[in-house]
Amino acid sequence: GAVVSQHPSRVICKSGTSVKIECRSLDFQATTMFWYRQFPKQSLMLMATSNEGSKATYEQGVEKDKFLINHASLTLSTLTVTSAHPEDSSFYICSARGGGLDNQPQHFGDGTRLSIL
Amino acid sequence: AQTVTQSQPEMSVQEAETVTLSCTYDTSESDYYLFWYKQPPSRQMILVIRQEAYKQQNATENRFSVNFQKAAKSFSLKISDSQLGDAAMYFCAYLANSGYALNFGKGTSLLVTP
Repeated sequence: GAVVSQHPSRVICKSGTSVKIECRSLDFQATTMFWYRQFPKQSLMLMATSNEGSKATYEQGVEKDKFLINHASLTLSTLTVTSAHPEDSSFYICSARGGGLDNQPQHFGDGTRLSIL
Repeated sequence: AQTVTQSQPEMSVQEAETVTLSCTYDTSESDYYLFWYKQPPSRQMILVIRQEAYKQQNATENRFSVNFQKAAKSFSLKISDSQLGDAAMYFCAYLANSGYALNFGKGTSLLVTP
């Protein structure tokens, strides 16, 4: 089945650091990728939707200058958390949508646990 | 905007018993999809079952089945013969036919006791 690889799985860094998370579709072309944030014991909250070659569409309340999304190819999207602070600590999950693959609307990565000290 | 409501933050079931998780949603669309996802402690998102709104027949996947009531906008998940490995967070999700993004409910934490 379709595989989405998300890297890194775990990041611990100091406040003020910028962190880049990669999301790759390994065996299909992802026309659309999604980035979610999940706080402990809460649901997945959509942060932004990105389409290959165009600017990401951010959800209300998500700072686009804080969370930079690049979707430069059909197999790779990146999320960069700029100047991260402790309140940015969370679980970030990407998912990818490709045309005509089984019955799944999106294929999820395994997530990245981000801890800002 | 569509909303998905899961009114049970936590549920508990004994091994081998049956449990039903509730989900209601609000939409003005006539064509859409509904899903149940399982998120175990590993936090991987696993698709459990899906239902197309235009289908009257309730979806079934082995021990998992749904009760889809379109008029009532209800989409409950029944887990039969519960197993210890079923313990996880379960999220109900909605996808408009014309949309791209999944809209998740707040989740139900399922505990399975021996």
